[in-house]
Amino acid sequence: AQSVTQLDSHVSVSEGTPVLLRCNYSSSYSPSLFWYVQHPNKGLQLLLKYTSAATLVKGINGFEAEFKKSETSFHLTKPSAHMSDAAEYFCVVSARTGGNKLVFGAGTILRVKS
Amino acid sequence: EAEVAQSPRYKITEKSQAVAFWCDPISGHATLYWYRQILGQGPELLVQFQDESVVDDSQLPKDRFSAERLKGVDSTLKIQPAELGDSAMYLCASSSPGTVSYEQYFGPGTRLTVT
Repeated sequence: AQSVTQLDSHVSVSEGTPVLLRCNYSSSYSPSLFWYVQHPNKGLQLLLKYTSAATLVKGINGFEAEFKKSETSFHLTKPSAHMSDAAEYFCVVSARTGGNKLVFGAGTILRVKS
Repeated sequence: EAEVAQSPRYKITEKSQAVAFWCDPISGHATLYWYRQILGQGPELLVQFQDESVVDDSQLPKDRFSAERLKGVDSTLKIQPAELGDSAMYLCASSSPGTVSYEQYFGPGTRLTVT
């Protein structure tokens, strides 16, 4: 079985400062891991994905995440926050067998202060 | 760029009424998913189709929810009768087997309010 824990329900940063959104996962299989972003009244958009290639994954809009198997973590980072980054972020795990079922974390709301 | 289409975007209904949502996946995507997202939570899979066949409906409340994908293309999710606890965002996603990551593409969702 797969599960995801997002360690912070809300994160607040100032514009131009680094962003760190934390995620721990549990999986019985070799996992695929994703980060999705959801802006208000918009659909979920894929930021980045890990599928067993490089452990440091680069995504859109300057975001990146590092897969750390020993820590079962997949934290999302960005060097410098922009106002447009304010949204809800979901860490997601999927087993690479068994139907590609996605299991979502509860989400982290990112607030960016000017 | 191809997108997943959903309608309606918003729906208000009274409890005990029937309601239906429609989804048109990206052309060529054989796998279609319906998710429910309750406010403050992450999406939860309700049902997964491979072409016209259901491959996972373990979390679908079958006493009141039904889903179909008759021709293996678009899909309809129905609730009858609706209950107050069904108020949520209903998301549709699609994916195409043959890619390593099986990336799922999401539609904008239908926000349901049951009064």
